[in-house]
Amino acid sequence: GDSVTQMEGPVTLSEEAFLTINCTYTATGYPSLFWYVQYPGEGLQLLLKATKADDKGSNKGFEATYRKETTSFHLEKGSVQVSDSAVYFCATDSNYQLIWGAGTKLIIKP
Amino acid sequence: GAGVSQSPSNKVTEKGKDVELRCDPISGHTALYWYRQSLGQGLEFLIYFQGNSAPDKSGLPSDRFSAERTGGSVSTLTIQRTQQEDSAVYLCASSLLTSVQETQYFGPGTRLLVL
Repeated sequence: GDSVTQMEGPVTLSEEAFLTINCTYTATGYPSLFWYVQYPGEGLQLLLKATKADDKGSNKGFEATYRKETTSFHLEKGSVQVSDSAVYFCATDSNYQLIWGAGTKLIIKP
Repeated sequence: GAGVSQSPSNKVTEKGKDVELRCDPISGHTALYWYRQSLGQGLEFLIYFQGNSAPDKSGLPSDRFSAERTGGSVSTLTIQRTQQEDSAVYLCASSLLTSVQETQYFGPGTRLLVL
């Protein structure tokens, strides 16, 4: 069945460092790909998405490119801030539901 | 406008008791989803509603779990005879249409602890 694998956390970085959180997927057909973020004490919210191969989703300085050849959707940010500390979830669609990775906790130190 | 709301925010219960979790979706959203998030794990899909009907209930982990949605709005997830392994955060989400490409808006969740 469809699945999503993302790098285990926690990931700890200093402020202004470059961020990559890896995500790979297995899915049939042409799925859409998503990154959701959960800030401390808040609900899940969509960060960005891409609906077809080679699309780049971007939001709040984060980017991810849908790579069909490597079945990947890695999340990147050039310069992280303390306020980016959160748990990040990669997901893909399967019919009407989302299939989720386990989440990666990101800790940014000042 | 108001987002998705869930109640209670926290629930502690004893093993064997029944619990009801409530979700108020965003007004006008046709689709409603229930997920479960266990400690250190990703989200597990439970059930979704298209209007008042639930086309697929196969994500519910056992027959102790049931859900209903009335009036195309509020939904209730009921867990009967709770077990310790039911302890988790139960998340509800809604979207305008029943299409996974529609953004799902999540509530803050109900944290359930079964003693």
